[in-house]
Amino acid sequence: DTGVSQDPRHKITKRGQNVTFRCDPISEHNRLYWYRQTLGQGPEFLTYFQNEAQLEKSRLLSDRFSAERPKGSFSTLEIQRTEQGDSAMYLCASSFAGVGEKLFFGSGTQLSVL
Amino acid sequence: EDQVTQSPEALRLQEGESSSLNCSYTVSGLRGLFWYRQDPGKGPEFLFTLYSAGEEKEKERLKATLTKKESFLHITAPKPEDSATYLCAVWGTSGSRLTFGEGTQLTVNP
Repeated sequence: DTGVSQDPRHKITKRGQNVTFRCDPISEHNRLYWYRQTLGQGPEFLTYFQNEAQLEKSRLLSDRFSAERPKGSFSTLEIQRTEQGDSAMYLCASSFAGVGEKLFFGSGTQLSVL
Repeated sequence: EDQVTQSPEALRLQEGESSSLNCSYTVSGLRGLFWYRQDPGKGPEFLFTLYSAGEEKEKERLKATLTKKESFLHITAPKPEDSATYLCAVWGTSGSRLTFGEGTQLTVNP
C-alpha cells in the first residue's frame, strides 16, 4: 500500500502563471477528491471524480481551475492565471465507493503565489 | 448546506490532563461523522467514523462519541505526541463528499 501521492510537494510561482499538480490515488480506489486548505482552516471541497467522470464541483470553484482524471487513474489539477489568493495547500484524497466516505489523504502540494 | 463548527479553536494541556474537543454539526441527513488528525505540513489522517447517535469508538487515548447534534473527542491522559490539529467532518445525504470544520489545534506540554 503506497498511499496517496502528490507531486510536487511545494510550488512557488509568480502571479499570472499557470500551475499543474498531480495526484496518484491508492490503486484500488475509484473515487478521487481535491480539497484546498489555508492556514488555520479545515479542508475545503473543490471537486471529485468517480472513475474518470467528474461528478461534482464546488460552486466556489473559479473557472480558472480545471481537473482531469484520464482513464480513472491519476488526476491533475490545473490553475490558470494564478492569483495571490490561490496560495494554499492543495490536498488530494481517494476512497472506494460503497464503504462510506472514508478518505485517505496525500501530503498535499503547498502553493505559494508571489 | 452541511455545516461543522469545532471548539475550542486551540487547546493547551499538560501531559496527563484529560479533556474533550467538541464538534457541532448541521446536516440534511447524517451518513457519517469523521474525525481526522493532521500534523503540520501533512494531510489529514483518519481516526474514526461514527454513523449513529449513541455510537462510541476508541483508539488508544482517544474516544469519540456521537449525539444527534454533536460529537466529542475525549483525550485521556494525553502525551506530547498527541499534539496535532483534530478535524471533524460530516458526510450528509446531499452529496458524496466530506464537509470539514476548522479544526482544534491541540498542544500537550510535557
